[in-house]
Amino acid sequence: EVQLVQSGTEVKKPGESLRISCKGSGYSFTSYWISWVRQMPGKGLEWMGRIDPSDSYTNYSPSFQGHVTISADKSISTAYVQWSGLKASDTAMYYCARGSGRVDYWGQGTLVTVSS
Amino acid sequence: EIVLTQSPGTLSLSPGQRAILSCRASQSVSGSYLAWYQQKPGQVPRLLIYGASTRATGIPDRFIGSGSGTDFTLTISRLEPEDFAVYYCQQYGSSPPYPFGQGTKLEIK
Repeated sequence: EVQLVQSGTEVKKPGESLRISCKGSGYSFTSYWISWVRQMPGKGLEWMGRIDPSDSYTNYSPSFQGHVTISADKSISTAYVQWSGLKASDTAMYYCARGSGRVDYWGQGTLVTVSS
Repeated sequence: EIVLTQSPGTLSLSPGQRAILSCRASQSVSGSYLAWYQQKPGQVPRLLIYGASTRATGIPDRFIGSGSGTDFTLTISRLEPEDFAVYYCQQYGSSPPYPFGQGTKLEIK
């Protein structure tokens, strides 16, 4: 069974750093892109970027370039997204997903709250 | 970057009626690489359609995707109570980014 299991809820202060994770199982992790998608409270889906876990090649949406870093460790079938300086506007649910379009499996989501 | 515009923003219909949702791209979507997703409150999005018209595994045949170029449509032929949700389109042709449309909320009238 294909599964993407994400790390748990995070509560952070503005300016803090954060890394959230997404562990894939039940398939060949290096055979599919992993995308990250943001959903702000009450809003729509926003494609942040993607990573090829086989070689860690990444693409970013211009809206997220420079503000987040997407990475992966293929030895443990895990992808990450990290922030070096969180803002209140980063408060959102973050999903990892298998594929870059035609996304067929999604993680359960990681809720990130940034508040002073 | 291709921008996707979905219409209407909200669609109010009754069970048994037909729903027609539109997704218009600012540039032609190469290869008709256009997907549709359904998201219910508190749930993860679910892939319905890919390649503009191919239903994903387990998706009922009342969900019909069509279109090419810049104009795409998701038709739900006869609405069931469980179909009321938010629907998003996403293009994934050519180079990234692969944005989503802003969504159409399908609500019970």
